[in-house]
Amino acid sequence: QSALTQPASVSGSPGQSITISCAGTTSDVGAYDYVSWYQQHPGQAPKLMIYDVTKRPSGVSDRFSGSKSGNTASLTISGLQAEDEADYYCYSFTTNKTRVFGGGTKLTVL
Amino acid sequence: QVQLVQSGAEVKKSGASVTVSCKASAITFSNYYMHWVRQAPGQGLEWMGIINPSGGSTSYAQIFKGRVTMTRDTSTYTIFMELSFLKSDDTAVYYCARSATLRGGFDTWGQGTMVSVSS
Repeated sequence: QSALTQPASVSGSPGQSITISCAGTTSDVGAYDYVSWYQQHPGQAPKLMIYDVTKRPSGVSDRFSGSKSGNTASLTISGLQAEDEADYYCYSFTTNKTRVFGGGTKLTVL
Repeated sequence: QVQLVQSGAEVKKSGASVTVSCKASAITFSNYYMHWVRQAPGQGLEWMGIINPSGGSTSYAQIFKGRVTMTRDTSTYTIFMELSFLKSDDTAVYYCARSATLRGGFDTWGQGTMVSVSS
């Protein structure tokens, strides 16, 4: 199972919005609504930010939102803040009953 | 505060085996699935497999089949991940994580266990 495809890096200025894409196939992202997104700061464990494509766990800022169109999922962060600078990973369940992550995207807040 | 507490760092020789533990709670054992995910230095996340703590059933990623074994101890609410025939590229941080559904994502993660493999 190949990793989902994410851009290596994205950047934005404080207050701006950015979107991170996660491209998969009809065997993973396109097959199910089991896409989630994780934020990871250096030296820390990942943190769940979005699950089931669009749902936000309790305690996660509403500046984070998720969506999906066909085989591509997206994470949008609005009103960028310095604390959002981190690595972001997407995840999907697959038709082979396995799980796959994206390669990760480094977000830089300028 | 839900916690998953993992065992400490390990240093192993190539060809050896390592076992990492992850202590959860009674509620987690009864209502969640548990996974192992690893992250090599400077690299992304890689899913290794899943164990159902209540029944003990497991499913492993194809690339680890034959080398990984996931087990649990219901008396201590602890899950274990044993990786055998270690190679240098098994050097990574190993995380346990839980999911509320079989197919969904991971809402809680352990702190990670660094496993270093040297030749």
